[in-house]
Amino acid sequence: QLQLQESGPGLVKPSETLSLTCTVSGGSISSSTYYWGWIRQPPGKGLEWIGDIYHSGNTYYNPSLKSRLTISVDTSRNQFSLKLTSVTAADTAVYYCARRSDRGSGSYFDLWGRGALVTVSS
Amino acid sequence: SYDLTQPPSVSVSPGQTASIPCSGDKFGYRYACWYQQKPGQSPVLVIYQDTKRPSGIPERFSGSSSGNTATLTISGTQAMDEADYYCQAWDSNTVVFGGGTKLTVL
Repeated sequence: QLQLQESGPGLVKPSETLSLTCTVSGGSISSSTYYWGWIRQPPGKGLEWIGDIYHSGNTYYNPSLKSRLTISVDTSRNQFSLKLTSVTAADTAVYYCARRSDRGSGSYFDLWGRGALVTVSS
Repeated sequence: SYDLTQPPSVSVSPGQTASIPCSGDKFGYRYACWYQQKPGQSPVLVIYQDTKRPSGIPERFSGSSSGNTATLTISGTQAMDEADYYCQAWDSNTVVFGGGTKLTVL
């Protein structure tokens, strides 16, 4: 059964770079028709899409985060990663990785990781 | 930018039908999906492509879409259905989430 697991530092200093990795187990990240995405949720607030990536490296980014964001994929390790630069307290959130079924206008996230809390604080 | 609007809260009595609307421009040209999120847990997909139910989701969950509004309906609502619900759509190569609706079963 395919599973996703986020990993990375739980505490990041302001102005530094937030880095997270999602490891896919029980299946291949190179499966067709799936993108691999990041979504975050500030404490007590709603979901915000960050961006996602195909195994070929093609990416889609949230325009509001694009200038600070890099999502990459390592198919040999079955992992994809998130880097968000120049973080502030507003970037404090639970970060989820998830699988997005690529159905064009019918896209949806059908599998989610457990989430990783990242706090931005000095 | 594309926005999806949901009411912050909906209340329902056990056994009754709960309806959660999600309004957005041109829903007729795009699909909606819905997620359930209980406290401290990851979101779970309950409806995709407007009306389809993933394997393992109870039949009491259904979805519909008409005009600019997609709706999640829970028939015979149970206490275990108390959760936050989010709609989501795909627009111009971006994923958009609604603000979420807290469903209270009382």
